[in-house]
Amino acid sequence: KNQVEQSPQSLIILEGKNCTLQCNYTVSPFSNLRWYKQDTGRGPVSLTIMTFSENTKSNGRYTATLDADTKQSSLHITASQLSDSASYICVVRRLSGGSYIPTFGRGTSLIVHP
Amino acid sequence: DAGVTQSPTHLIKTRGQQVTLRCSPKSGHDTVSWYQQALGQGPQFIFQYYEEEERQRGNFPDRFSGHQFPNYSSELNVNALLLGDSALYLCASSLRQVYGYTFGSGTRLTVV
Repeated sequence: KNQVEQSPQSLIILEGKNCTLQCNYTVSPFSNLRWYKQDTGRGPVSLTIMTFSENTKSNGRYTATLDADTKQSSLHITASQLSDSASYICVVRRLSGGSYIPTFGRGTSLIVHP
Repeated sequence: DAGVTQSPTHLIKTRGQQVTLRCSPKSGHDTVSWYQQALGQGPQFIFQYYEEEERQRGNFPDRFSGHQFPNYSSELNVNALLLGDSALYLCASSLRQVYGYTFGSGTRLTVV
């Protein structure tokens, strides 16, 4: 069964601290993995996209890693800011019938306190 | 350059009614996908439209239907609304079903 599991479900950190979010998946065949940031009541915004051959990709203070062998990904946020408070969603796409079908994780809710 | 626009932003309907949500894709995009996101959950894929045809469908009943117009805009229709249909409905557009998805801000549907 194609599933994406994220942990932790929620996380509270102090401004300026680092944190790491986890994503484990069983989606097959794997096409790509994206991390999205979703502010409350808004649509998700893409942070990074990784294909099978990529291990690390950075976007400013966000760094995503991918281990395709263990089917695990992480999103590391450096020097957190109050504006990082949001839900972070891991999405894994598989190729099916000529289309790329996404499977979404339930997200990690991050709260950054001053 | 307008991104993905959805209308209306909020909607309240009564159980048993029908609703139509609208989506205009990002300029240059030709594929539209619809998602349902319940409170505290990740988005669930409903279906995808490309070249005015439904190409892929998630695990949603036939009460959920859609349409794509020649200008690539799309509608999501839900018949016989249930309380459980209350959710944020997201539209995402992309180019040729493959490339990066851009999400709209969603339509918040409340069924009472």
